[in-house]
Amino acid sequence: SQQGEEDPQALSIQEGENATMNCSYKTSINNLQWYRQNSGRGLVHLILIRSNEREKHSGRLRVTLDTSKKSSSLLITASRAADTASYFCATDGSGATNKLIFGTGTLLAVQP
Amino acid sequence: EPEVTQTPSHQVTQMGQEVILRCVPISNHLYFYWYRQILGQKVEFLVSFYNNEISEKSEIFDDQFSVERPDGSNFTLKIRSTKLEDSAMYFCASSETGTVNEKLFFGSGTQLSVL
Repeated sequence: SQQGEEDPQALSIQEGENATMNCSYKTSINNLQWYRQNSGRGLVHLILIRSNEREKHSGRLRVTLDTSKKSSSLLITASRAADTASYFCATDGSGATNKLIFGTGTLLAVQP
Repeated sequence: EPEVTQTPSHQVTQMGQEVILRCVPISNHLYFYWYRQILGQKVEFLVSFYNNEISEKSEIFDDQFSVERPDGSNFTLKIRSTKLEDSAMYFCASSETGTVNEKLFFGSGTQLSVL
């Protein structure tokens, strides 16, 4: 699989439910980030978790990181219709710059 | 909140023509990037730029591509002779210092269609 593979590819839930998206990667990382993209728009940074962190919260978002399994999950609690978007994980590439390697994305649809 | 702005939002061009995509990064940011996203595919890194020179580039960023910071605010991506496969959404991004553990701020993108 490619660096940064999310699953599921698509997820449809009802408003109020929780949504969980998973990401797997292949190489060592310094950090893993999650971004959101509304249809036809740019990417918006949601949360960054460092390789020495296991869990991080931001509002309704909860991110976990398991470096031994090279995987991360993003949980959105009490989802809203406005959460409908594509969600991407991104890992930092090797080298001195902050190049990001994006995953394939999960398309989340929250039904009102 | 400060934003990265990109113009135009849509660009249609004929194959073989030159295009210039423009970006205004966030004013106090030092690192600039171009990414692209072909419809239905991953967001792909093209190039990073710091201190008026390319810091890193991907294999996609061949001799047909160039970047420039012509003045203190604009950051441009030029494609010299466009091909059909250059059709994609092109995103500009910037970050404060370009170090690891730093988030990127993305513009809304320029949708390039090569006919």
